[in-house]
Amino acid sequence: RKEVEQDPGPFNVPEGATVAFNCTYSNSASQSFFWYRQDCRKEPKLLMSVYSSGNEDGRFTAQLNRASQYISLLIRDSKLSDSATYLCVVNRGGSSNTGKLIFGQGTTLQVKP
Amino acid sequence: DAGVTQSPTHLIKTRGQHVTLRCSPISGHKSVSWYQQVLGQGPQFIFQYYEKEERGRGNFPDRFSARQFPNYSSELNVNALLLGDSALYLCASSLTPDGMNTEAFFGQGTRLTVV
Repeated sequence: RKEVEQDPGPFNVPEGATVAFNCTYSNSASQSFFWYRQDCRKEPKLLMSVYSSGNEDGRFTAQLNRASQYISLLIRDSKLSDSATYLCVVNRGGSSNTGKLIFGQGTTLQVKP
Repeated sequence: DAGVTQSPTHLIKTRGQHVTLRCSPISGHKSVSWYQQVLGQGPQFIFQYYEKEERGRGNFPDRFSARQFPNYSSELNVNALLLGDSALYLCASSLTPDGMNTEAFFGQGTRLTVV
């Protein structure tokens, strides 16, 4: 079983739709959580960090449920420019104390006109 | 300000050859990590260096090695290339070594094709 699991999709949605991505992680020692966005053949870029209290950045809302080891990303009012792969990422932190980021497989979103 | 820069951007090698990939972190960042991303998968951690010392190693064979220089730039070396080493190799730099609540900035990657 992979340490970080995502539904690879693809998710095909019309412009203006609301879409939700889910991610689960298996290591309860994980301490930092992120969503990264990766455009085709480009490098990953941080979309947002994820906190237990939940956080919002414009049309994007991220939630963390530590008890269920579950992370979500909600995109409202989808735009064509949102088409990309969304990577769920965790950092174990703790005694391992390295910057190792553990990536999910990524979920592909295609927003159609 | 320059971001993370990697060279070369593309590379084609033959099985059994050796390759060296280079990375310059963002100015002021002392932590450099290397990731391998094969098509359709998320990046996988290979190494992390901080202050010229190895701080983490992923589940990769000994054919993979790396080092960090006094100016914090880094090299990733892969010996005896296999077809399966074909991937996008990403370098990431960050301010802190533990990556906690801090952004990792990625370079554009080196796309390695082994034929």
